[in-house]
Amino acid sequence: SQELEQSPQSLIVQEGKNLTINCTSSKTLYGLYWYKQKYGEGLIFLMMLQKGGEEKSHEKITAKLDEKKQQSSLHITASQPSHAGIYLCGADDRNSGGSNYKLTFGKGTLLTVNP
Amino acid sequence: GAVVSQHPSRVICKSGTSVKIECRSLDFQATTMFWYRQFPKQSLMLMATSNEGSKATYEQGVEKDKFLINHASLTLSTLTVTSAHPEDSSFYICSAKDRRSGANVLTFGAGSRLTVL
Repeated sequence: SQELEQSPQSLIVQEGKNLTINCTSSKTLYGLYWYKQKYGEGLIFLMMLQKGGEEKSHEKITAKLDEKKQQSSLHITASQPSHAGIYLCGADDRNSGGSNYKLTFGKGTLLTVNP
Repeated sequence: GAVVSQHPSRVICKSGTSVKIECRSLDFQATTMFWYRQFPKQSLMLMATSNEGSKATYEQGVEKDKFLINHASLTLSTLTVTSAHPEDSSFYICSAKDRRSGANVLTFGAGSRLTVL
């Protein structure tokens, strides 16, 4: 099955600093999803990447998928306390069969932004 | 956008009782819903895939008689934790995929925190 490794596991930054979170797969990524979760709450969809070299941005968050489609990064520019939370990358698990692919998640990166 | 409502958000029960958690897609139909479990400071662990009108597909190691899943309609899936024990205490989250969506973007509920005394 698809395995995703996220790094770092946790990150503490000062408000205003830039940061990057990485997600590496053992297999080719057919669909890579980034979600954010506040502790004790559900997940909020951020972005989806499908094509090698694809890059998407929303406000101060940019996500990229490398050409080989095995690694994705999430970059936050000028971080704010509102960016704090757990960031999870998820990937379509094409071994699940059928048309409803399961999402396999990385273990998450806990981001703390100090004011 | 798509909204998934999960209820209850918190539940406390006595050991040996059963607890039902509901997951509803409010403005879309979902042929497939997913149930996850999350332990403190850990990622989501997929428990089962809930298919409308058919039996749920359970992940390896998840007891189907312990965690009963019913997906009776295109907008509702329920997870029943039967004969709950303290080790079942956890955060349970559901997600749903809009049947009209080609991509595998899931909408998540806000989660249900179960505490078994």
